[in-house]
Amino acid sequence: DSGVTQTPKHLITATGQRVTLRCSPRSGDLSVYWYQQSLDQGLQFLIQYYNGEERAKGNILERFSAQQFPDLHSELNLSSLELGDSALYFCASSGSGRSDEQYFGPGTRLTVT
Amino acid sequence: GEDVEQSLFLSVREGDSSVINCTYTDSSSTYLYWYKQEPGAGLQLLTYIFSNMDMKQDQRLTVLLNKKDKHLSLRIADTQTGDSAIYFCAESLYGGATNKLIFGTGTLLAVQP
Repeated sequence: DSGVTQTPKHLITATGQRVTLRCSPRSGDLSVYWYQQSLDQGLQFLIQYYNGEERAKGNILERFSAQQFPDLHSELNLSSLELGDSALYFCASSGSGRSDEQYFGPGTRLTVT
Repeated sequence: GEDVEQSLFLSVREGDSSVINCTYTDSSSTYLYWYKQEPGAGLQLLTYIFSNMDMKQDQRLTVLLNKKDKHLSLRIADTQTGDSAIYFCAESLYGGATNKLIFGTGTLLAVQP
């Protein structure tokens, strides 16, 4: 158990809909990262938040957005969903460890039908 | 550029050693990581190495880093059936105060009893 939690575990929705994925980082970790894992793109970095502020953006679509709340949990919002958005979405957190290692949650499997 | 490559598949017999290889392209990487992903599960951090080290040993795991050739390997001694999984190497890129991870394609390790 990494200490990072994600809900829901599975999500099935239709094209055009909007969903929210939730992540709680390990206790004390200030950074939250979101990654997408799909068969064609592999594991890709989407976005990072640090203590409530956006720190870096990767290959995140404009239809996607995220935020980190004062209690440090984070939400990833996906809107106008397309079939190609079906993937595993992982959240990771890191703290002030010397190596800044990232610990991953179990992921949310999103299926868009 | 950001590109991490791994061979796709490795098959070994139980009790043998496994060596999983990875090449990366960004010389500014500070830390390099190995993650394990079992079917339907999240990413488990196995070990990491700082870029100024050549080798790191952690129980059955040995990481070798050749910085000149940008080559990283993970050796698993006495491989067990429970080691069957996908193994990802990742490089940590520091820039603009982010340490996003760039993942390789993953190597599927199949351990035959």
